[in-house]
Amino acid sequence: GAVVSQHPSWVICKSGTSVKIECRSLDFQATTMFWYRQFPKQSLMLMATSNEGSKATYEQGVEKDKFLINHASLTLSTLTVTSAHPEDSSFYICSAEEGQGLKTQYFGPGTRLLVL
Amino acid sequence: DAKTTQPPSMDCAEGRAANLPCNHSTISGNEYVYWYRQIHSQGPQYIIHGLKNNETNEMASLIITEDRKSSTLILPHATLRDTAVYYCIVRAGNNRKLIWGLGTSLAVNP
Repeated sequence: GAVVSQHPSWVICKSGTSVKIECRSLDFQATTMFWYRQFPKQSLMLMATSNEGSKATYEQGVEKDKFLINHASLTLSTLTVTSAHPEDSSFYICSAEEGQGLKTQYFGPGTRLLVL
Repeated sequence: DAKTTQPPSMDCAEGRAANLPCNHSTISGNEYVYWYRQIHSQGPQYIIHGLKNNETNEMASLIITEDRKSSTLILPHATLRDTAVYYCIVRAGNNRKLIWGLGTSLAVNP
C-alpha cells in the first residue's frame, strides 16, 4: 500500500517552455501533497505544500508564479514549471501524506527535468 | 524540530547487519524519529518511525535510547540493494514538514 506515482519520469525541454509534472496517490487519498526539488549531491528541499481544494503554501524563496501547483482531487497534484530555464534543471519529487492521526509521507519516484 | 547528526558514510558486508546511528540530542517529548532511504536517482522510501519504544517491521528495526537522544536503524541482513543514502529525521506529530539533512551513505559490499 501507500504507492505514489509521478509522470513523466524524465523530461527534456527547451528554454522558455512550460513543463507539467503529475503526482498521484494510487491506493489512498491524500488531502496534502508536497513538492520537493533536489540538486545533484544535495538533500531534498521542500518547495511547497499542496492542499486539495485550496491554494498551495510555498516555502520562502520559491516563486509561486513560476512553480504553479494544482491539487484538484484527493489523488492528484500537478506542478507546472513555467518558462523553464536551464537553472530549473533538477530532480523534482512529490510526496503524499497517508494515515490517520500521525501521517506518514510516501514519495513518488521523482521526475528528472533537463532544460536546454 | 530537533536537528539530527549522522555519519556521512558507512560500509557494510553483504549478509551482515548494518547499524546506522543518529544523534538527536535536542529532541522534544512530542517528536518522532523517522527513517527514510534514497536509492540513487529515486524518490525516498519510508522505512520506519518511532517515538519511545523500539520498533520493528519487515524492513528494519529502530532502537531508540531511553533518553531518546540517539537512535540506531538496523538492517539485519544487508544486501547489495540496501546501498542507499539513509536519512534520520525528527518531526513533531503536528508538524508535517520533513527537514532533510545529508544522511548517511551506506555502501553494502559483496
